[in-house]
Amino acid sequence: NAGVMQNPRHLVRRRGQEARLRCSPMKGHSHVYWYRQLPEEGLKFMVYLQKENIIDESGMPKERFSAEFPKEGPSILRIQQVVRGDSAAYFCASSLQLSTGELFFGEGSRLTVL
Amino acid sequence: DAKTTQPPSMDCAEGRAANLPCNHSTISGNEYVYWYRQIHSQGPQYIIHGLKNNETNEMASLIITEDRKSSTLILPHATLRDTAVYYCIVRVPNFGNEKLTFGTGTRLTIIP
Repeated sequence: NAGVMQNPRHLVRRRGQEARLRCSPMKGHSHVYWYRQLPEEGLKFMVYLQKENIIDESGMPKERFSAEFPKEGPSILRIQQVVRGDSAAYFCASSLQLSTGELFFGEGSRLTVL
Repeated sequence: DAKTTQPPSMDCAEGRAANLPCNHSTISGNEYVYWYRQIHSQGPQYIIHGLKNNETNEMASLIITEDRKSSTLILPHATLRDTAVYYCIVRVPNFGNEKLTFGTGTRLTIIP
């Protein structure tokens, strides 16, 4: 039973380019959460999605960031026109529709902006 | 969600029990206590959770005081692989949104 799969694990972009991070939740999980962890800082919630719906985007920066979780395929976190401050680890987590509060996290995608 | 307070760092000798405290004096009656950990550079890992009774699983034990204002996570026989940042989170389970708010946690270092 595969866990939460994230790719790429490492991504290097130059300022102004776009970054796309993908997350495949655990089998049977329909809820996806994205978190960001800046170097030497804690985990910050970004967005919570269900299939084809954004439920809570209270932690998403207002510009350049977007997320989707289509009916088919992985969830995608998209960062347009990246800046150096976007360099961070981005973690995806998934949960069951009816959950005890346990989130299952992937190993993260590390974005470096040159 | 109630605010939690944890010591920033702790050391524990390998093979001994690691006891990690967490204060949550403003916890409300329907809020659960959750513990997660993050081993260096990895994704966070769920450890255990509880409401008012003590809980035990294969990883750890959770002791919640009778007034529920504090709790302790116990790793009974710490190994070097238990070196990690441990997060205590208090929240009401919301079956529509399991969003977790992580604080700064306790950095536990297991000493050989």
